[in-house]
Amino acid sequence: DQQVKQNSPSLSVQEGRISILNCDYTNSMFDYFLWYKKYPAEGPTFLISISSIKDKNEDGRFTVFLNKSAKHLSLHIVPSQPGDSAVYFCAASDGGSGGGADGLTFGKGTHLIIQP
Amino acid sequence: DVKVTQSSRYLVKRTGEKVFLECVQDMDHENMFWYRQDPGLGLRLIYFSYDVKMKEKGDIPEGYSVSREKKERFSLILESASTNQTSMYLCASSLPGLRYGYTFGSGTRLTVV
Repeated sequence: DQQVKQNSPSLSVQEGRISILNCDYTNSMFDYFLWYKKYPAEGPTFLISISSIKDKNEDGRFTVFLNKSAKHLSLHIVPSQPGDSAVYFCAASDGGSGGGADGLTFGKGTHLIIQP
Repeated sequence: DVKVTQSSRYLVKRTGEKVFLECVQDMDHENMFWYRQDPGLGLRLIYFSYDVKMKEKGDIPEGYSVSREKKERFSLILESASTNQTSMYLCASSLPGLRYGYTFGSGTRLTVV
């Protein structure tokens, strides 16, 4: 039973345009969400997070939007750059910002390809 | 910078061997985790630990065990390696809370032949 779903295995976006990566979840107990970026042969790196008490969090070119009623979140990257080409994982926790000690639940990932 | 170091980048082991994957973090993090990453399956939690000598099963603990004798070191043990344990293994650590997320190591690509 997949509790965090990333339904697009891959996404191709032109350099300079907006990249939108989507994530859906089924567990209504999840209340904290994170996005990770992973290059080949490297571990995932933390990008940005959002608590369920917010609907938006912004950090430079990265913005995460949360729609609790739809159990949906999205990561926007503006403008997209060649170095953004990577696999992006959505992750969730049910312990709020103070949780995470018992592990994060990850989606399967979306491979973002930025075209020159 | 927080660093999580996994002792081997690549390992090849034979079926039935006992395999040790080592992970060390240098930032005094309480929480440590072992995940495996497989194509089409994402990251799946094997075991985690929130304190020295404490260990808890994750979502897929079968065929694995762990050891945390010191705060900075978290070892994953494959008691009798099988071909279906061929995977990328990722270790992570974190402070209490999720403000800074988890910090992951670079991974160990294990092949069981």
